Amino acid sequence: GQQLNQSPQSMFIQEGEDVSMNCTSSSIFNTWLWYKQDPGEGPVLLIALYKAGELTSNGRLTAQFGITRKDSFLNISASIPSDVGIYFCAGLNYGGSQGNLIFGKGTKLSVKP
Amino acid sequence: EAGVTQFPSHSVIEKGQTVTLRCDPISGHDNLYWYRRVMGKEIKFLLHFVKESKQDESGMPNNRFLAERTGGTYSTLKVQPAELEDSGVYFCASSSRQGNGYTFGSGTRLTVV
Repeated sequence: GQQLNQSPQSMFIQEGEDVSMNCTSSSIFNTWLWYKQDPGEGPVLLIALYKAGELTSNGRLTAQFGITRKDSFLNISASIPSDVGIYFCAGLNYGGSQGNLIFGKGTKLSVKP
Repeated sequence: EAGVTQFPSHSVIEKGQTVTLRCDPISGHDNLYWYRRVMGKEIKFLLHFVKESKQDESGMPNNRFLAERTGGTYSTLKVQPAELEDSGVYFCASSSRQGNGYTFGSGTRLTVV
């Protein structure tokens, strides 16, 4: 089945630093999504990307949909303590009987004040 | 609007017992999804309802898992009999249409001992 390789697995950074994480796949997706999960909560959608090459920002977050449709990255600028959590990429192909998300294994972010 | 609600938030049961998880999607969302995250692994798709119909149940692990969505509103996921490897966090998500970013519930943490 389809799999996403997400890296890094974990990051320990200082408050104020920038963060970058990425996902790659051997197959293409129509949509790339980035989610954040806080402890005890479900994943919350941060950014959705619908077109190859698309670059989208949401506050301090920037994400891009790779030209080949097989990869995506997420950048967080000037990290703050509340950025702590697990970040998941997810690929989606919809239409017909499809519609389920394929998730990466997550990047656990720790921020030192 | 109210978000996706899952009940219970935690469940600890013995191997061989039965557990039923419930999900109330966002009102008016026809698409309802069940996902599961086993510790340390990626969030994996279980099945997808469109209204009361099962659109895709290719992710269901085996016939010990039974999902229903009577009337196209809330959904239940029953595990009978539960095995140790069923432990994990079960997430429900809903969307108004395929291709949108889904809204996830907070999950049910199931522990089978």
